[in-house]
Amino acid sequence: ETGVTQTPRHLVMGMTNKKSLKCEQHLGHNAMYWYKQSAKKPLELMFVYSLEERVENNSVPSRFSPECPNSSHLFLHLHTLQPEDSALYLCASSQRGGNEQYFGPGTRLTVT
Amino acid sequence: AQSVAQPEDQVNVAEGNPLTVKCTYSVSGNPYLFWYVQYPNRGLQFLLKYITGDNLVKGSYGFEAEFNKSQTSFHLKKPSALVSDSALYFCAVRPDTGRRALTFGSGTRLQVQP
Repeated sequence: ETGVTQTPRHLVMGMTNKKSLKCEQHLGHNAMYWYKQSAKKPLELMFVYSLEERVENNSVPSRFSPECPNSSHLFLHLHTLQPEDSALYLCASSQRGGNEQYFGPGTRLTVT
Repeated sequence: AQSVAQPEDQVNVAEGNPLTVKCTYSVSGNPYLFWYVQYPNRGLQFLLKYITGDNLVKGSYGFEAEFNKSQTSFHLKKPSALVSDSALYFCAVRPDTGRRALTFGSGTRLQVQP
């Protein structure tokens, strides 16, 4: 799992807070993804970046704001979240046009 | 639009017995199919994939999956289950052209009893 790292691993935040999730990949990939994993629901693809350009945004509320400053780093900026946003947020990377995605361990987010 | 169905929330099997975790899919064009496993407090780990060729695909940890085009299925199998195989298993699909992001199923929890 050292190929894709995520920090923090756990985060508790109030609805008025602003926080950021960080993802870093050490695999030389050039596509990165954010997913939301809620209990008993399919993984929800949130954002896709390819060559540092956002290529997919799946109707995610504006309180989630991604940033991809380079091909190795991906951030998810959070502000004024709702309790229903509590979930495991997973980052993944792949080669652009490649098949397998490699996942980080996730950030367990709790919104109070 | 593509979709994946994993009809069983949980599968229970005794150690040493064969296991099957079911997956059916819907996609336009030819499918690329994947299985991932998630252990507690960990991210998803890639197990195996079907892109083209032999319908029986072999992957990590002794797992294999059989692609059946007529039944649009890609069931995960293992001849002899281990207690350490207990985890959450996800099937995923994407078309061979166009949108490259994966669509995942809701997951099946595999419980292997000693």
